[in-house]
Amino acid sequence: AIRMTQSPSSLSASTGDRVTITCRASQGISSYLAWYQQKPGKAPKLLIYAASTLQSGVPSRFSGSGSGTDFTLTISCLQSEDFATYYCQQYYSYPPGTFGPGTKVDIK
Amino acid sequence: QVTLKESGPVLVKPTETLTLTCTVSGFSLSNARMGVSWIRQPPGKALEWLAHIFSNDEKSYSTSLKSRLTISKDTSKSQVVLTMTNMDPVDTATYYCARIPGSSGWYGVFDYWGQGTLVTVSS
Repeated sequence: AIRMTQSPSSLSASTGDRVTITCRASQGISSYLAWYQQKPGKAPKLLIYAASTLQSGVPSRFSGSGSGTDFTLTISCLQSEDFATYYCQQYYSYPPGTFGPGTKVDIK
Repeated sequence: QVTLKESGPVLVKPTETLTLTCTVSGFSLSNARMGVSWIRQPPGKALEWLAHIFSNDEKSYSTSLKSRLTISKDTSKSQVVLTMTNMDPVDTATYYCARIPGSSGWYGVFDYWGQGTLVTVSS
């Protein structure tokens, strides 16, 4: 099974900061990578699919890049509503669609 | 407007069978290639995919839980049902249902999620 790792596991940042989260797959997954945002007590929300395609309605400060095994999620100018946990998920080998362990972004 | 909503017991005893229902609206379970998955999240932990069912009745299960899971759908009621047998305290989690869009390139992407339902397994 394909394993997903994320780094860092958590980070502290301030509003306005540029934030980058890394996701790595244990084997090549082409661009079959999605990113989700989850706020406490809420369901995950799809942000990006196909590694870099923004889901409809998602602000343009979110961007994704990468292919193969290494991927990044960037928030260009962190807003207060962006403090959340972010998960990557591969769907190259689906099912199952394995998720990463998450990266928690909190307020510095 | 696409919505999904999970329902089921909040508390089950060890060894009991859990039955969860996902009621969808804003799309039809008979739409070409439309699917619904169940995904769970233990408190403070990551997400774990459990099962899916598609409009053509294609079903798939987590390898580690396959012997305990059954997924089915009632298209007329817009419902997807997941049963999990022999519940254990380690199965305590929030259980989500999520839609898999039917269009090409979306197989395995979850674009809409239900609010989730917390199931606690305890005697």
